[in-house]
Amino acid sequence: AQSVTQLDSQVPVFEEAPVELRCNYSSSVSVYLFWYVQYPNQGLQLLLKYLSGSTLVKGINGFEAEFNKSQTSFHLRKPSVHISDTAEYFCAVRGSGGSNYKLTFGKGTLLTVNP
Amino acid sequence: DTEVTQTPKHLVMGMTNKKSLKCEQHMGHRAMYWYKQKAKKPPELMFVYSYEKLSINESVPSRFSPECPNSSLLNLHLHALQPEDSALYLCASSQGTGGGYEQYFGPGTRLTVT
Repeated sequence: AQSVTQLDSQVPVFEEAPVELRCNYSSSVSVYLFWYVQYPNQGLQLLLKYLSGSTLVKGINGFEAEFNKSQTSFHLRKPSVHISDTAEYFCAVRGSGGSNYKLTFGKGTLLTVNP
Repeated sequence: DTEVTQTPKHLVMGMTNKKSLKCEQHMGHRAMYWYKQKAKKPPELMFVYSYEKLSINESVPSRFSPECPNSSLLNLHLHALQPEDSALYLCASSQGTGGGYEQYFGPGTRLTVT
């Protein structure tokens, strides 16, 4: 089984400031890692994913994340945020075995970008 | 086309009503999912369909009844719901059920049970 901990439930930042949203996971098997964004009253949109290979993953809207196996972390970063980045961000993990169907989500981090 | 569509967007129903939620995808995906999301919480998996067959039921009450009429469509039939069932219901699809397949989510149906 896998679990995900998002260390911050809310992160307020000013526009054009950098931001890091933290995610740690626990798993007894190799994992795939995902970050999803949910804007108000909408579904979830995939920002980026780590399956294998380079530990630095670039996604949409200028976001990137770094997979750190030794620290079991997958933190999301953006060098300069916009008002439009205000949303809920979910980190998610899935086991790498063939029948690992379940996507386990963290509790979410609400990013609020202020002018 | 990487879109999952859901209808209706909003639904208000009484506890004695029967209603259905619909989800559609045209990406050729063979796995489809229903999730329930309460306010300020992450999505919770309800059902998984693989190749049009129900493969996973996460101990969901029988007042929720899923149906997969074909590879592009997924329905969720609702009957005798409780007010605590009010939530955002999300549909998702993926190429397969293996761990590395990305799930594409629809915009959801906001359900209110009165």
